[in-house]
Amino acid sequence: QKEVEQNSGPLSVPEGAIASLNCTYSDRGSQSFFWYRQYSGKSPELIMSIYSNGDKEDGRFTAQLNKASQYVSLLIRDSQPSDSATYLCAVNQGYQKVTFGTGTKLQVIP
Amino acid sequence: ETGVTQSPTHLIKTRGQQVTLRCSSQSGHNTVSWYQQALGQGPQFIFQYYREEENGRGNFPPRFSGLQFPNYSSELNVNALELDDSALYLCASSLAGGATDTQYFGPGTRLTVL
Repeated sequence: QKEVEQNSGPLSVPEGAIASLNCTYSDRGSQSFFWYRQYSGKSPELIMSIYSNGDKEDGRFTAQLNKASQYVSLLIRDSQPSDSATYLCAVNQGYQKVTFGTGTKLQVIP
Repeated sequence: ETGVTQSPTHLIKTRGQQVTLRCSSQSGHNTVSWYQQALGQGPQFIFQYYREEENGRGNFPPRFSGLQFPNYSSELNVNALELDDSALYLCASSLAGGATDTQYFGPGTRLTVL
């Protein structure tokens, strides 16, 4: 079992729709969770961090964390073509180790 | 822009050579982490430096080594380059290196090994 799992996609959504990106992790001791956006050929850019169970909203983005289910998700409301990118889920497992998933490619269709 | 810089942007080396990549952390950050990202994969943790000491290491062989300087900038050194070392090398800076720290990435160095 991979430590951090994401569906590689591509996930295609029409412009204006809600995109839902999911991530599961294996280490129950994981303490913090991050979503990064990565455009092709560029470095990852932080979108959201979340540490506690529940929802965290920032503009069009909402991160959701369920530690009991070892599940973290990212919702993007009113998706725009500029949101088309690969979204990386990252989990800080402590011991100075951050593990990334392989990323989900999102395509927003105009 | 995160304030994290890396040099060089691109690099081409041949198998068996050695390479040094450099990273300047964001102002106020004392921790630098290095990652290797192969095409189509997520970043893989190489190691982390906190206050000039290695503070955690991933599953990379000893030919991957690093340094952190008093100004918190850092170097990644790779000896005896192999073809599979071709990747995007990312450094990320953070404050304090704790479990809830947020890492901010530099633009990366694209290494090609021929």
